[in-house]
Amino acid sequence: RKEVEQDPGPFNVPEGATVAFNCTYSNSASQSFFWYRQDCRKEPKLLMSVYSSGNEDGRFTAQLNRASQYISLLIRDSKLSDSATYLCVVNPAGRGYNKLIFGAGTRLAVHP
Amino acid sequence: GAVVSQHPSRVICKSGTSVKIECRSLDFQATTMFWYRQFPKQSLMLMATSNEGSKATYEQGVEKDKFLINHASLTLSTLTVTSAHPEDSSFYICSAGAGGPLAHEQYFGPGTRLTVT
Repeated sequence: RKEVEQDPGPFNVPEGATVAFNCTYSNSASQSFFWYRQDCRKEPKLLMSVYSSGNEDGRFTAQLNRASQYISLLIRDSKLSDSATYLCVVNPAGRGYNKLIFGAGTRLAVHP
Repeated sequence: GAVVSQHPSRVICKSGTSVKIECRSLDFQATTMFWYRQFPKQSLMLMATSNEGSKATYEQGVEKDKFLINHASLTLSTLTVTSAHPEDSSFYICSAGAGGPLAHEQYFGPGTRLTVT
């Protein structure tokens, strides 16, 4: 089983739609969770950290469910510029503070 | 945010040759640098972690004699792919950590696309 699993998509949605991505992780002791965004042939960029209480940044909302080992990202009012691959990233405990385990990503395509 | 550069951005080399990729932190001192590899439609895979002045720690399955990492200063780490083969063709990305305990304090370079012919 992969350490971090995501639905690869693609999710094809019209502008203005709300879309949700899910991610599961296998290490129940994992400490930190993030969503990164990666554009085609570019490096990943941190979108937001994910906290147990849930957190929101503009149109983006992230949720963490530790009991189910599940992370979600909700994008409201999708824009064309949101088209990218969204990477679920976990920092597993016991492997050093700074190690990040990346999911394979979920592709989002927003169309007019 | 902090800036990390990589050079070259893309390189094509012949099978059997060696290629060196540089990763520089431009505006901060990076005590730790990470090297990742990403094959098409796959996730970033951590290859190794390097701390300034010490030997790199390689992930399981990564050959340390093939992927030589040097982190001689707080602003520069290099990855040398020795005796490259076509299966080494990939997108290599470095990231640099400023030394804080928070995992997300990593800043990614723009990546190097290696093609081995």
